[in-house]
Amino acid sequence: GDSVTQMEGPVTLSEEAFLTINCTYTATGYPSLFWYVQYPGEGLQLLLKATKADDKGSNKGFEATYRKETTSFHLEKGSVQVSDSAVYFCALSPFGNEKLTFGTGTRLTIIP
Amino acid sequence: NAGVTQTPKFQVLKTGQSMTLQCAQDMNHEYMSWYRQDPGMGLRLIHYSVGAGITDQGEVPNGYNVSRSTTEDFPLRLLSAAPSQTSVYFCASSYSPGQNEQYFGPGTRLTVT
Repeated sequence: GDSVTQMEGPVTLSEEAFLTINCTYTATGYPSLFWYVQYPGEGLQLLLKATKADDKGSNKGFEATYRKETTSFHLEKGSVQVSDSAVYFCALSPFGNEKLTFGTGTRLTIIP
Repeated sequence: NAGVTQTPKFQVLKTGQSMTLQCAQDMNHEYMSWYRQDPGMGLRLIHYSVGAGITDQGEVPNGYNVSRSTTEDFPLRLLSAAPSQTSVYFCASSYSPGQNEQYFGPGTRLTVT
């Protein structure tokens, strides 16, 4: 079945550091790929998405590129802020189907 | 627009008790779903619905029942709670099946003793 593997956490970085959170997936067909973010005490919010190979999703300075050849969707940000501290989830959804399969989540803490 | 609302925020149950977790959305979304979030396991799909009167099982449906009598509401029922159901439960909705964004509620933290 479908699965998502993402980088184990927790990850702690200093403010303005470069961030990469790795995500790889296994799926049949051409799934859509997502990054969701969960701030403390809140539900999940969509951060960015990509629906086909080589698409780049971007939002709030975060980017991720859908790489079909490596089945990856790594999340990157050039300069993180304290406000980026949260748990980040990589997820996939089969084409035409809403059922999301999530990775285990990566807790990110940014220190001033 | 309240979005997706869930009640209660917190609940403690004894083993064997029953309860219903409420979920409502005011965005006229067709698709609604329930997930549970456990440490080290991410979110797992319990049940989902593609419209009023239609429900189906997700990855971990055992011990849970759902119904969808209206577009707005999608309650999750625990008929006989077990400690293994201690978790944080999230309801989500989206406009229609496809690559659309899902909107999540704030969650219900359930403890079964």
